[in-house]
Amino acid sequence: DQQVKQNSPSLSVQEGRISILNCDYTNSMFDYFLWYKKYPAEGPTFLISISSIKDKNEDGRFTVFLNKSAKHLSLHIVPSQPGDSAVYFCAASGSARQLTFGSGTQLTVLP
Amino acid sequence: GAGVSQSPSNKVTEKGKDVELRCDPISGHTALYWYRQRLGQGLEFLIYFQGNSAPDKSGLPSDRFSAERTGESVSTLTIQRTQQEDSAVYLCASSLVAGGYYNEQFFGPGTRLTVL
Repeated sequence: DQQVKQNSPSLSVQEGRISILNCDYTNSMFDYFLWYKKYPAEGPTFLISISSIKDKNEDGRFTVFLNKSAKHLSLHIVPSQPGDSAVYFCAASGSARQLTFGSGTQLTVLP
Repeated sequence: GAGVSQSPSNKVTEKGKDVELRCDPISGHTALYWYRQRLGQGLEFLIYFQGNSAPDKSGLPSDRFSAERTGESVSTLTIQRTQQEDSAVYLCASSLVAGGYYNEQFFGPGTRLTVL
């Protein structure tokens, strides 16, 4: 049973436009959420996070929104750049120390 | 180096052989995690070490998998009698502390294991 789901395996966006990546979770005990970015042949790198006491966190071009009632979070990238092309993983953490990851979304930003 | 390192980067082995994968965490990080990513799937938690506490082995898929860590340094993941379904990228991560609001984990580049 997948506790963190990313239902879109891929997304293509034009350069300069907004990219919106979505993530749903089922475990209400999760209280911290993270987005990781992964390039081929590299490990995931941390991008941005949000705790359950907030509904928005912004860092430059990246904003994460959390809707606890819907158990949904999203990552907005604006403006999108070709260098943003990568696989994006949503992850969640609760009382257990490990992260539970979604299956990832391949973002392609077209020049 | 400043990041998490893993070796080997690639490992090809025959079914039934044992393999050892190594992880060097970031110096000073007390928590160390192993994950694996099978083709087309997300990262799957395997095992977690925090300081000198007993490791959380809840993610290990079978008793063929084991891991050790000496203090707050190197960790070794061992897979005995490898099977084809063990083929995956094995990722190691470390973090300064475990849990809480600052559970940012830093990942190594992974070891790609192929079992023929």
